[in-house]
Parts: sequence; C-alpha cells; structure tokens
Amino acid sequence: GAVVSQHPSRVICKSGTSVKIECRSLDFQATTMFWYRQFPKQSLMLMATSNEGSKATYEQGVEKDKFLINHASLTLSTLTVTSAHPEDSSFYICSAFLDRGPEAFFGQGTRLTVV
Amino acid sequence: KQEVTQIPAALSVPEGENLVLNCSFTDSAIYNLQWFRQDPGKGLTSLLLIQSSQREQTSGRLNASLDKSSGRSTLYIAASQPGDSATYLCAVTVGNTPLVFGKGTRLSVIA
Repeated sequence: GAVVSQHPSRVICKSGTSVKIECRSLDFQATTMFWYRQFPKQSLMLMATSNEGSKATYEQGVEKDKFLINHASLTLSTLTVTSAHPEDSSFYICSAFLDRGPEAFFGQGTRLTVV
Repeated sequence: KQEVTQIPAALSVPEGENLVLNCSFTDSAIYNLQWFRQDPGKGLTSLLLIQSSQREQTSGRLNASLDKSSGRSTLYIAASQPGDSATYLCAVTVGNTPLVFGKGTRLSVIA
C-alpha cells in the first residue's frame, strides 16, 4: 500500500529552539497533506492543510507563525515548530490521500518533547 | 460540524472473545468512513475503508459495517488475540476533506 514517511520519529529540544518535521509520500504524489496533533489519550486534532505550491490553511486556534508549513514539492511537506515551548510537546502526525482518495494514509508520527 | 463518538472508551476482554467497537457520527452526509489502529506512541495503520455506497468491508478477522442513515459504524473483531491490543480510531470524511476522528477505543486483550 501507499506509504507516508515521517521524520524524525522522536525529538527532544530546548525551549526556544525550532524543530522541523518532514512528511514524505514515498510512492505517490500528494498535492495536499494534513497535519494533526495528538495529546495523550486524546484524538487527533487537525492543525492545518498543506497545499503544494500555495499557503497552508490553518484551523481555528492554530498559530500560523508558530507552526510553519511548507509544501514545496508533490512529495514533501514540512512542519516547523518555531520557538518551541513545553506546552508544544505533543505527538504530531501527517496524512495524505493516495491519488486524491478515498483512502487516507498516515506517517509514523513524531513525538516532540520540549524541555 | 461533524462530530464522531466512539463507545466504549476502553475495553478489556479475554483472549478468544468476539467483540464490537462502536462509532457514531452526527452528519450522515459522509463520503467515507475509515477504521484505524494505533499502537502506543506510533502512527496510524489503516484497517478498513468503507465508502458511502458500501455497507461493510472485511479483512481477515475484522469486519466493519456502515449505516449512513443512522450515523453508525461498527468494527467487529473475531477471536481476539493479545496482539489486537491497541487503540482503534474511527474517522469520517466528505470527499478529500480532512478526516474527523473519534477519541478511540483502547482495547486490551488478556491472554
């Protein structure tokens, strides 16, 4: 099946630094990718929709200047958490539809810990 | 606004039991419903996808049904095994819009 690869799987950073998370579609092109955030024992909450060649669409309450999304190619979207703080510690996961759907595939997720 | 609810939130069963996980959604105008499995600290693995024109899908010991009119889906797991222990998530979508997830059911299968 289609594969979405996310890197890194785990990262620990100091408060105030920035962290970049990559999401790649390995065997298909994804014009749209989705970034989710998951707190412990909670469901996945959509943060933003990443669109290749254009600006990302952010969900209400998500700071676009803090969570920078770049979708520079048809197989890569990046999420950069800028000036990270401990409250940004969470599980971040990306998703894409194979050939515009209908099945969604997810990356392995990134566990971010800000200390 | 679409909302997805999963019941129960947690379930513990002895090995070998058949079990049913429930998912309900508030807006029946969905295109697809997808069941996922998530192991602790891991990403999501797609288990079954049911398109709006379908009523059920089967894969091995898993069977998922969809009743759009009532806004419900069930995931049936036959002859449960300890390896089935995980969180099971239900999600719905309209077209290629982002999936809306339930909070999941944490399943523990006791050997």
